[in-house]
Amino acid sequence: EVQLLESGGGLVQPGESLRLSCAASGFTFRSYAMSWVRQAPGKGLEWVSAISDNGGYTFYADSVKGRFTISRDNSMNTLYLQMNSLRVEDTAVYYCTKAVGSCSNGVCYKYFEYWGQGTLVTVSS
Amino acid sequence: DIQMTQSPSTLSASVGDRVTITCRASQSISRWLAWYQHKPGKAPNLLIYQASSLESGVPSRFSGSGSGTEFTLTISSLQPDDFATYYCQQYNTYPLCSFGQGTKLEIK
Repeated sequence: EVQLLESGGGLVQPGESLRLSCAASGFTFRSYAMSWVRQAPGKGLEWVSAISDNGGYTFYADSVKGRFTISRDNSMNTLYLQMNSLRVEDTAVYYCTKAVGSCSNGVCYKYFEYWGQGTLVTVSS
Repeated sequence: DIQMTQSPSTLSASVGDRVTITCRASQSISRWLAWYQHKPGKAPNLLIYQASSLESGVPSRFSGSGSGTEFTLTISSLQPDDFATYYCQQYNTYPLCSFGQGTKLEIK
């Protein structure tokens, strides 16, 4: 059974940092790209960041570029999101997702097969 | 950036009803579209991928159709467990993907 378990959320002040973790099990973690998706209170889903299976490629939404860093440890089956210079608007539930799909001629089309339960990040003074 | 627009934002229906949710993309995304069901406090659940492919384990009352810029999610006969919020997601520009704003399906 695939499990994605996020941790590391909490209450921080604007400008502070937080690191989220996502422990994966039930599949060959090193073989899959992963992403973080968030949901602000009362809002819809927003893609945040993605990382390739070997960690060699990373991608970010404009709203977090330069402040957030995605990484993974394939030996520990764990995905991370380092969040620096946090803003009030970063307040959200953050979900870890497993991406699946297909690639052709270097172009990939992947959707999110599994999601974790999420971890709440609250940025407030 | 590709914008995804769902309609309606809220839908009131009864058990047994047939309901349809529409998702429009601001430019063509071929068939690279997924649908998710989301209940409060739970992980979103994949229903449909590649516009019309039913994810394993998802009841057959769920179906998807469309291509290009217009897509639909249909629930043929609503069950009590189906009342939730539904999101479409384009992955034509993976990994930079985008979601619709959501459709909340409420009990009438």
